[in-house]
Amino acid sequence: QKEVEQDPGPLSVPEGAIVSLNCTYSNSAFQYFMWYRQYSRKGPELLMYTYSSGNKEDGRFTAQVDKSSKYISLFIRDSQPSDSATYLCAMSAGRNNRLAFGKGNQVVVIP
Amino acid sequence: KAGVTQTPRYLIKTRGQQVTLSCSPISGHRSVSWYQQTPGQGLQFLFEYFSETQRNKGNFPGRFSGRQFSNSRSEMNVSTLELGDSALYLCASSYLGQNTEAFFGQGTRLTVV
Repeated sequence: QKEVEQDPGPLSVPEGAIVSLNCTYSNSAFQYFMWYRQYSRKGPELLMYTYSSGNKEDGRFTAQVDKSSKYISLFIRDSQPSDSATYLCAMSAGRNNRLAFGKGNQVVVIP
Repeated sequence: KAGVTQTPRYLIKTRGQQVTLSCSPISGHRSVSWYQQTPGQGLQFLFEYFSETQRNKGNFPGRFSGRQFSNSRSEMNVSTLELGDSALYLCASSYLGQNTEAFFGQGTRLTVV
């Protein structure tokens, strides 16, 4: 079983819809949870960073962490065509520990 | 402030050859991590260097190696290339090794033929 599972299936949504992405993990030691956005031919860029369980909101983006279920989510409200990208979840046991990534979800927002 | 710079952006090599990739971190950053990204496996951690010392290592064969120089620039080397080494190689830098706040370069796309 991989440490981090993320269903890589592409997701197409109409502009303005809510995008819902999630990851599950098996390593109970993970304490830090991140979401990255990667545009085509670019490196990943950090979108959201959460420590332990709870919710975090940043503009149209909301990250949720449920450590009891080993499940994290990212919601994008009022999606825009510019949100079309691959979204990767990542986790680590400590700030200086290596990152474990999900495979990524390709999201296409249709105008 | 300049971002993380990786060179070259694209490479084509033949099986059996070796290759060296370069990463220049953000000025002042002392930690550089390397990742391999493929469609099948996603992003996998290769190794991390901090102040010229390898601090963490992933589960890759010994053909993959790296080093870091005193100016924090890092290189990774892959010897005896295999077709399966075709991937996007990404490096990420952080100030003091806080990988939760790392910045990624654009990557080097390696194709092995």
